[in-house]
Amino acid sequence: GQNIDQPTEMTATEGAIVQINCTYQTSGFNGLFWYQQHAGEAPTFLSYNVLDGLEEKGRFSSFLSRSKGYSYLLLKELQMKDSASYLCAVRDPNDYKLSFGAGTTVTVRA
Amino acid sequence: NAGVMQNPRHLVRRRGQEARLRCSPMKGHSHVYWYRQLPEEGLKFMVYLQKENIIDESGMPKERFSAEFPKEGPSILRIQQVVRGDSAAYFCASSPSGLAGGQETQYFGPGTRLLVL
Repeated sequence: GQNIDQPTEMTATEGAIVQINCTYQTSGFNGLFWYQQHAGEAPTFLSYNVLDGLEEKGRFSSFLSRSKGYSYLLLKELQMKDSASYLCAVRDPNDYKLSFGAGTTVTVRA
Repeated sequence: NAGVMQNPRHLVRRRGQEARLRCSPMKGHSHVYWYRQLPEEGLKFMVYLQKENIIDESGMPKERFSAEFPKEGPSILRIQQVVRGDSAAYFCASSPSGLAGGQETQYFGPGTRLLVL
């Protein structure tokens, strides 16, 4: 089975940094994805990790430790537009399906 | 390059009616996935299709739900005799390849929000 856990909600101040953790216990692993989803909109791709370590993309970075079944998404220099739900998803190695966590709602306050 | 298209964006049905949801993948993508998102829950995989083939429907309810991706035209998710519990957002995603290797990202459409009265 697939078990992917992430916090339900986080709140931070504009300009600050927030780290969203994701732990997973899955029957297989072939990459971890982070998506951003604004209310009423489609999930949009943010990052992908398949090897251990940190991937940096502008204000967003994602880290993976396969031995610990752990990832985090780091959002720096928070902006109001970053208020959204952030979804952690693990891809199955035998196919292509993504298994998603329930999402973390981040609220950025002025 | 247009993204993944879904229509309708919103659909209201009464219990017992049929719902048809359409998805046109991104240009050049031949792999389509359907996911369902219930209120306050994560996205759940439903079905994976290629042109004229259902590859994996392990996430589809056994009854009332079906999906197709014909040679011509959009992919269709069909829900017969809808019940209130079918109310959800249904997202379609596409990718250029179904191979589980590399950064084959799935790109999502805007979703269809189904409300069953």
